[in-house]
Amino acid sequence: KNEVEQSPQNLTAQEGEFITINCSYSVGISALHWLQQHPGGGIVSLFMLSSGKKKHGRLIATINIQEKHSSLHITASHPRDSAVYICAVRVKGNYGQNFVFGPGTRLSVLP
Amino acid sequence: EPEVTQTPSHQVTQMGQEVILRCVPISNHLYFYWYRQILGQKVEFLVSFYNNEISEKSEIFDDQFSVERPDGSNFTLKIRSTKLEDSAMYFCASSGQPNTEAFFGQGTRLTVV
Repeated sequence: KNEVEQSPQNLTAQEGEFITINCSYSVGISALHWLQQHPGGGIVSLFMLSSGKKKHGRLIATINIQEKHSSLHITASHPRDSAVYICAVRVKGNYGQNFVFGPGTRLSVLP
Repeated sequence: EPEVTQTPSHQVTQMGQEVILRCVPISNHLYFYWYRQILGQKVEFLVSFYNNEISEKSEIFDDQFSVERPDGSNFTLKIRSTKLEDSAMYFCASSGQPNTEAFFGQGTRLTVV
C-alpha cells in the first residue's frame, strides 16, 4: 500500500523566511503533484512534476525519483502563503488524476 | 481566469436522501474528476470521467455513487442514499488532458444528519 508522508505536519515561520516542506512516498510513481489548500477549503494546483525541478514565482518544487522524495520551497515567505500544502502522487500503473494524497503540511507565516 | 464552479457551497441533507452535487468545469476541458475530503482527513480520489464514461474509479466509488454529464456544461455527482459517513467536502476538478494539472473547484461541503 502506497503511503505519502509529509513533514513537518505544522510549520510556523516569520515573514521573509525560506520554507521547505518535504514529501516522501513508498512506491514507484509517474507524477507528483503539489497543491495548496486555502483556509476556506479551496484547492489550487501548484506544480505537477515527474523529474527535476520546477519554479513559479517564489515557489520551487524538486523531485528525486530514486530517493522517492520531493520538496516544496517558498522563498521570501509572506502571510498570504499561509495554507495547507498537499503532496499527491500518481502511482505507476494509474492514469490521469488518480492521485494518492498526503496528509498536508499546515503553514502559518506571521507578519 | 477560467475556473471550475461548484454548487451549492454547503448542503445539508437527511440520512437516506439522495443528493446531487453540481459542477461546471472549465469550458474547453474534456476530463472531469471528483474527490472528497472528510473533515480532518486526506483528500481522496473518487472518479475520473471522459467521453461520457467513467475512465477510472476508486474503491470508495461504490454503487451508491454515480456521475453524469447531463448537458454540455454541467458535471454532477449523485449519492443515492446518503449515510452519515458521506459527510465531507466534495471537490470537482477538470483538465484539458488526462496527465496535465487539474483545476479544482471550491468544493461543496455535504453534511448528512
